[in-house]
Amino acid sequence: AQSVTQLDSQVPVFEEAPVELRCNYSSSVSVYLFWYVQYPNQGLQLLLKYLSGSTLVKGINGFEAEFNKSQTSFHLRKPSVHISDTAEYFCAVSEVTSGSRLTFGEGTQLTVNP
Amino acid sequence: ETGVTQSPTHLIKTRGQQVTLRCSSQSGHNTVSWYQQALGQGPQFIFQYYREEENGRGNFPPRFSGLQFPNYSSELNVNALELDDSALYLCASSSGTSGSQETQYFGPGTRLLVL
Repeated sequence: AQSVTQLDSQVPVFEEAPVELRCNYSSSVSVYLFWYVQYPNQGLQLLLKYLSGSTLVKGINGFEAEFNKSQTSFHLRKPSVHISDTAEYFCAVSEVTSGSRLTFGEGTQLTVNP
Repeated sequence: ETGVTQSPTHLIKTRGQQVTLRCSSQSGHNTVSWYQQALGQGPQFIFQYYREEENGRGNFPPRFSGLQFPNYSSELNVNALELDDSALYLCASSSGTSGSQETQYFGPGTRLLVL
């Protein structure tokens, strides 16, 4: 079975500052990795995903993430955040052999202050 | 192309009652997954349906059951409701074959409160 740990439950930052949201995972088999964003009272929206190939993945809204197999991490970064990036961010994994069943972390609340 | 829709948006039930939540998949999608998101937590996988057959189940008791219809819409049924069933229930649809990694598109969810 796999698990996901998001190392920070809350991350406050100022507008235009860089941000990193940390995600570590545990699995005995190969996995795919995802970051989703959830705005208040809405469902989840996919930011980016790593399936294979280049370990640096670029997503929507200027976000990117880097897959580090040796450290079993998939940290999310953005060089300059906006007020509108305030939301809950979820890291998720799925086993390569089990289809699209996702295991999520507990989430990180990103709050961007003016 | 319409997105994933869920109904109702909010629901209040009492312990012991039964509830049915509905999901309309995105056009062309043949796979639907249901997740439970308790307050302050990440979503947890309940089960998945592919072409009307259950295709994987998470750690949820049998009183959580589902259906997928020929038009790929779906229902989540919960019997004998408990207080801990209070949560946001999310439906996600995707296309492709069983086991594929097509992107899942989530609906806005149904917020269930059990009193």
